[in-house]
Formats: sequence, C-alpha cells, structure tokens
Amino acid sequence: AQSVTQLGSHVSVSEGALVLLRCNYSSSVPPYLFWYVQYPNQGLQLLLKYTTGATLVKGINGFEAEFKKSETSFHLTKPSAHMSDAAEYFCAVSANSGGSNYKLTFGKGTLLTVNP
Amino acid sequence: KAGVTQTPRYLIKTRGQQVTLSCSPISGHRSVSWYQQTPGQGLQFLFEYFSETQRNKGNFPGRFSGRQFSNSRSEMNVSTLELGDSALYLCASSLEASTPGGYTFGSGTRLTVV
Repeated sequence: AQSVTQLGSHVSVSEGALVLLRCNYSSSVPPYLFWYVQYPNQGLQLLLKYTTGATLVKGINGFEAEFKKSETSFHLTKPSAHMSDAAEYFCAVSANSGGSNYKLTFGKGTLLTVNP
Repeated sequence: KAGVTQTPRYLIKTRGQQVTLSCSPISGHRSVSWYQQTPGQGLQFLFEYFSETQRNKGNFPGRFSGRQFSNSRSEMNVSTLELGDSALYLCASSLEASTPGGYTFGSGTRLTVV
C-alpha cells in the first residue's frame, strides 16, 4: 500500500519569499513521486516528477523538489514566490502494486496563498 | 497537439438519475484513468482503461462504471446518483497502461447532484 501526507493544508507566503511545501510518502516498494498544481476550475498540471536517478528534480516555473529516501520526503521548493504561484499543490506517489500496475495516490493538497 | 478533452464541463443532475461523462485522450495515448475530487476525500482513483480493458480499479461502489472505445476515448457512468457523488471528475491519459509517470489531466467535469 502507498500513501502521501502533505503537511499543512494552507501555506501563506509573501511575494519574493521562499516557498516550501512538505510531502512525506509511504511505499513498500521504490516509489515514483510527483507534484501537480491545480488552478481554480482547472485540471492538474504536472510540475515535476522523480522516477530514478538524480534526487534533486527541477520542474516548471522555477520549482524543484528533492527525493530523500531516508526521510521518505519529497518537499517542493521555490526560491522566490510570484503572485501567479497561488494555487493548490498536490503531491502524489505511484508504485508497482503487482502485475506492473501503477496508480497515482494523491495527498490532500496544500493551498498556497501569495501575499503582495 | 490537443490535450485531454472532457465533456461536458459542468453538469447538474437530480438524485436517482444516471450520468455519463466523456474523455478524449491525447492523440496516441492509449490509457485513460479517472479520478474523483471532493473537498472531503480529495483525489481518489476510480479506474484505468487500456485497450478497451479495465486494468485497475479503485474502491468505489458498482454504481460507478466505465468503458473505453477502440479509438481510446473513454466514458464513465454513474447510476442512481447520490448527493455525495457531487464532485469534480478528472480524466488523465498516458501512452501506456499503468505507467509510473507521464499522466496528462483534463480540466474535469464538475458534477452537481441536487
């Protein structure tokens, strides 16, 4: 079984400040990890993903995340927040559940507010 | 190229009715997955179809069903609607079945049950 915990349902930062959204996962097999962003009345857009290889992953819009196996974490960061970053962010894990079946399991989401 | 297209965008139905939602994947993508998003439960996996076969299924009652056509377009059906079925239903497509990555989501269908 796999699960994702996002710490903090709501994070508020000032424009230009560091963005840190926390994600911890649980998986009995090596996981694939993702961050998605959702703007109001929209679907999910992939920000970045970790499958194998380098543990520091760079994504779109200046976001990056680091896979830390020892801490079972995959926190999302951005050095300087923009107003346009205000949205809901979802961390997700995908792992082989047997028979080469993968499915995405999402966290509850973190709503990011950016203050001028 | 065109993204994942979901129709309709908004839908209002009455309790007890049934509803069919449609999803057209990205051209060339053969796998379609469906998710339900609600404020209380978040994003939950419904099912995945590949080559017209259901490959994976989430923990939803039998009222929720789906199918996939030979052109990879997919439909999901909810029968005997309940108020709790009000949600945003998202469809995602990928090249292959049960891929560890590479899902592209549509904008969703907002279903309101009254």
